[in-house]
Amino acid sequence: GIQVEQSPPDLILQEGANSTLRCNFSDSVNNLQWFHQNPWGQLINLFYIPSGTKQNGRLSATTVATERYSLLYISSSQTTDSGVYFCAVDRGQGAQKLVFGQGTRLTINP
Amino acid sequence: AAGVIQSPRHLIKEKRETATLKCYPIPRHDTVYWYQQGPGQDPQFLISFYEKMQSDKGSIPDRFSAQQFSDYHSELNMSSLELGDSALYFCASSLAGGLSAFFGQGTRLTVV
Repeated sequence: GIQVEQSPPDLILQEGANSTLRCNFSDSVNNLQWFHQNPWGQLINLFYIPSGTKQNGRLSATTVATERYSLLYISSSQTTDSGVYFCAVDRGQGAQKLVFGQGTRLTINP
Repeated sequence: AAGVIQSPRHLIKEKRETATLKCYPIPRHDTVYWYQQGPGQDPQFLISFYEKMQSDKGSIPDRFSAQQFSDYHSELNMSSLELGDSALYFCASSLAGGLSAFFGQGTRLTVV
C-alpha cells in the first residue's frame, strides 16, 4: 500500500516563528488532506490539496503531485498552533480510506 | 455549520465487555468512515459505508462490526473488549466522490 512519511517528527519553536512541515508519499494520489490534532484529540481539517497551493490565514500548503510531496507552512506561530499535524492521502476518487502519516508534533512555546 | 457528532465522548469498559459507538454524519453526507487511533499513533482506517452498504474494509478485528442505518447514522459494535482496544475512535463523513472527509471529535475508549 501507499506509504506516507512526515518530517520532522517533532518541532519546538518560540511564538512568532515560522515553520515548514513536509509530507512525502510513495505513489500518485487523488486526495491529500492536512489535519491538525489539538491537545484534546480533535482532528481539524486544514486543507484539501491534492495539487497546487492554498492559503488560509497564517497557514498555507503546497502539493507537488509529480514529485509526491506536500508542504504545510505556518507563519507567525501562536501557542494555539501546538498539536500534531497529520498528512493523509488516498489513491481513490474523493475521500476513501485515508492513509495517515505518523504526524509532526509541533510545540509552540510562549 | 453542523459537524460529525459522535457519542459517547468517553467510555470506560472492562475486559470482555461490549461497547457501541455512535456516529451522526454531516447532513446530506452519505458516506461514513471509522478510524482507530492508538496512543501516540496515527489514525488507522477500520471500515466505511456508502448508502448503508459496506464500501471498504481495513484492519478491523473480527470482534468488531459496524453498520449504517437508513438515516445514515452509523454504529460501531465492539465485543470481547481487550486492553489493546483502548484508543480514540473517530468517525468521519463525506459525500460520495466528495473532496474531503470531515472528522468527529472522537470517542475515547478505555478498557480496564
